[in-house]
Parts: sequence; C-alpha cells; structure tokens
Amino acid sequence: GAGVSQSPSNKVTEKGKDVELRCDPISGHTALYWYRQSLGQGLEFLIYFQGNSAPDKSGLPSDRFSAERTGGSVSTLTIQRTQQEDSAVYLCASSPRYEQYFGPGTRLTVT
Amino acid sequence: AQSVAQPEDQVNVAEGNPLTVKCTYSVSGNPYLFWYVQYPNRGLQFLLKYITGDNLVKGSYGFEAEFNKSQTSFHLKKPSALVSDSALYFCAVRVQTGANNLFFGTGTRLTVIP
Repeated sequence: GAGVSQSPSNKVTEKGKDVELRCDPISGHTALYWYRQSLGQGLEFLIYFQGNSAPDKSGLPSDRFSAERTGGSVSTLTIQRTQQEDSAVYLCASSPRYEQYFGPGTRLTVT
Repeated sequence: AQSVAQPEDQVNVAEGNPLTVKCTYSVSGNPYLFWYVQYPNRGLQFLLKYITGDNLVKGSYGFEAEFNKSQTSFHLKKPSALVSDSALYFCAVRVQTGANNLFFGTGTRLTVIP
C-alpha cells in the first residue's frame, strides 16, 4: 500500500525566505508527527497531531515554525524567515497506534 | 525526562556472524521501545517494537530484540549478518502514558564486512 509521502524531496532557499513542507500520511492513521534530522544531531521531535485534538507543539524550536493538519489528513510545516541553522532533513511520520511510519523526508538547505 | 543511549557510533561485523546493536533507555514510567533502520538517502523503516508481554520480540529481516527491564536495555540482534544489513540503526522510546512522540538515540552505523 501507499506509504507516507512528502514534498518536495529537496528544497534550497535563501536565508530569510519562508518555506512550506508537505506531508501526506497513510490513509486511516490518526496520528501525525514531524521530526527534524540534523547531521550529527539525531532525530528531534517537532510537533504531533492526534485526530481533532489540539496539537502538541512542545518540540517546535522557535515561533518561526508552525504546522497545520487539514481535514485530519495532509499536514504542512511552515518555517518563516529561514535561518541557516534550519538546514536539515524534515521527516513526517504517521501512526495507527504504536509504531510510526516515516516518509522519505524533505532535505532543506538554507543558503 | 525520556532519553535513549546508543553507546556505539559504529559496529563492524563479518558476514555470517551474529550482530548486536546496543540500546539503553531512561523513561519516567513504562516504556514502549522501537528499532528503526535507515538506508542511504531513504527514510526510516520500522523494524520491531516492544509493547508488552514477551521480552523477546521478533521483527523484519530476521532481526530480534530483547527487553530487559532491570538493565533498561533493548539490544537489537541478528543471528547471522548479511552485507545488505549495513545501514544506520536507531533505537527509540516513548512512554506508555503521556507524550506520544518518540525519543531517538543518535544512531549506530552497522557495517557488515563480506
């Protein structure tokens, strides 16, 4: 079956510009997560959506980061006024209950 | 606070030999434990999980892991390594109650030598 998809696969942007990253979860999965994977830093939790509940934003590193999930399905992660330290691979995952299934990620490079 | 430690950045093993990738965890409460594998330029793939019950769990591609509560460990094992097992392996933990996000270790790069 179809897995988690993310777009774009690669994004190069200039410092100060805004970017939007998209995630299409596995159909029927109620939970959706965003993580960031930086070189040498491992995976860092950003935000979590569960059904219609208020999202858990406790991992967002600054107020430049925001995310929404429309209709309980597709999610968009927005980074405003990008900085060079935002360069990383952004991973989306969805979950039916316990294990999370990850998308291929979006590699963001801020120049 | 939740955390995961993978004490070895790199593990090398000869093809056909048994392999072990180590993981210890720290959580407030009972854990759910997971192993993921990441191949070059690809996302993380779920390998196996411990939720409850039998301490020895079996997963994809012949991998297994043993939950040891007293040692707070969840080491990944395989009886006979394949060259195709070479990849980056991540251990992850979440608490049974409370936050649902995973806390990941920093990863262990496994190289299986032909």
